[in-house]
Amino acid sequence: AQRVTQPEKLLSVFKGAPVELKCNYSYSGSPELFWYVQYSRQRLQLLLRHISRESIKGFTADLNKGETSFHLKKPFAQEEDSAMYYCALYNFNKFYFGSGTKLNVKP
Amino acid sequence: NAGVTQTPKFQVLKTGQSMTLQCAQDMNHNSMYWYRQDPGMGLRLIYYSASEGTTDKGEVPNGYNVSRLNKREFSLRLESAAPSQTSVYFCASRGTGGRGNEQFFGPGTRLTVL
Repeated sequence: AQRVTQPEKLLSVFKGAPVELKCNYSYSGSPELFWYVQYSRQRLQLLLRHISRESIKGFTADLNKGETSFHLKKPFAQEEDSAMYYCALYNFNKFYFGSGTKLNVKP
Repeated sequence: NAGVTQTPKFQVLKTGQSMTLQCAQDMNHNSMYWYRQDPGMGLRLIYYSASEGTTDKGEVPNGYNVSRLNKREFSLRLESAAPSQTSVYFCASRGTGGRGNEQFFGPGTRLTVL
């Protein structure tokens, strides 16, 4: 069965510090993975997807099939990065979301 | 384009009452979804519709029904509301364009069942 785990409910870092939000998944095939972000008073929106190998707002995420992980990283956190982050896996029309990590970037 | 719209934004029900949450999208997407968001549990899929005329259960369908009225609209109905259904409900549609399987979310409906 598909499952997405985000072990940290809350992650607090200082501005300028590196940040890593962890995501682990269980899936038997080739997964399609995403990071979604929800800023305060805004809609949930796509941040990035592993297939695109993109960097959005300085964030990157690498799929590690051996460790079944898709951690989200940014070398220098900014205050505007404070938000709720969700890791999600797509399979046959359905998305499976992790429980989310709240990132708090302190000035 | 409005994207995905949901009504109402807020609702308070008494146990046993019924209501329908409305969702519409103007992006010509085939797939639409209903989620509930609870603290510490992330988003859980209630029902989805892969195309007009089809609906399927997600992880937590009990106590809910859905209708895919047409390609644009996908409604969620609570027949007899219970306090356990207090949650924030999100509707989403899925595109298959430039960014692949990207979901577009509505603003959410905050439902309280007393």
